[in-house]
Amino acid sequence: GAVVSQHPSRVICKSGTSVKIECRSLDFQATTMFWYRQFPKKSLMLMATSNEGSKATYEQGVEKDKFLINHASLTLSTLTVTSAHPEDSSFYICSARERMGPQETQYFGPGTRLLVL
Amino acid sequence: AQSVTQLDSQVPVFEEAPVELRCNYSSSVSVYLFWYVQYPNQGLQLLLKYLSGSTLVKGINGFEAEFNKSQTSFHLRKPSVHISDTAEYFCAVNPPGNQFYFGTGTSLTVIP
Repeated sequence: GAVVSQHPSRVICKSGTSVKIECRSLDFQATTMFWYRQFPKKSLMLMATSNEGSKATYEQGVEKDKFLINHASLTLSTLTVTSAHPEDSSFYICSARERMGPQETQYFGPGTRLLVL
Repeated sequence: AQSVTQLDSQVPVFEEAPVELRCNYSSSVSVYLFWYVQYPNQGLQLLLKYLSGSTLVKGINGFEAEFNKSQTSFHLRKPSVHISDTAEYFCAVNPPGNQFYFGTGTSLTVIP
């Protein structure tokens, strides 16, 4: 099946620095990608919908200036956590939507664990 | 609007015993239904999904789920669990073309 990768898988950074997380669809084109956040022992919550060539759509309560999303190509979306703070520590998971005619399937990446010290 | 309820946050079960993890959902539109498993410090792994057709869906690792439209349920079952099944299980609904809506998860612990 289709594969979605995320890089890095794990990152530790100092408070105040920015961190970029990449989400790639490896063998299909994804006009839409989704970014989720998972707090420890909690469910996944959608942060934003990333559309290729246009601005991302953010969910209520998600700071768009803090979580910058860029979907510059049909196979790559990036999430940049700007001026990261310890409360941003979390597990970030992306998904990519593959369309084949009327059928569509979403595939999840393996996740990126961010720890801000 | 869509929502997913996983009624049991924790389910302990003895090895080789059967298990059922419950999932109920509400949606104003037709949705696809999914079960994912997450092992510690790992991403989501798809167990099974219901898109259409037969309401009994078989997945990986011996799991199956039954879609019940009248009860808006999609319960996950396994007739005999193993230690390796210890993990977090998430039920999710997906209106086609839209985001996934996840339940709060059920922590399955298999006791030797």
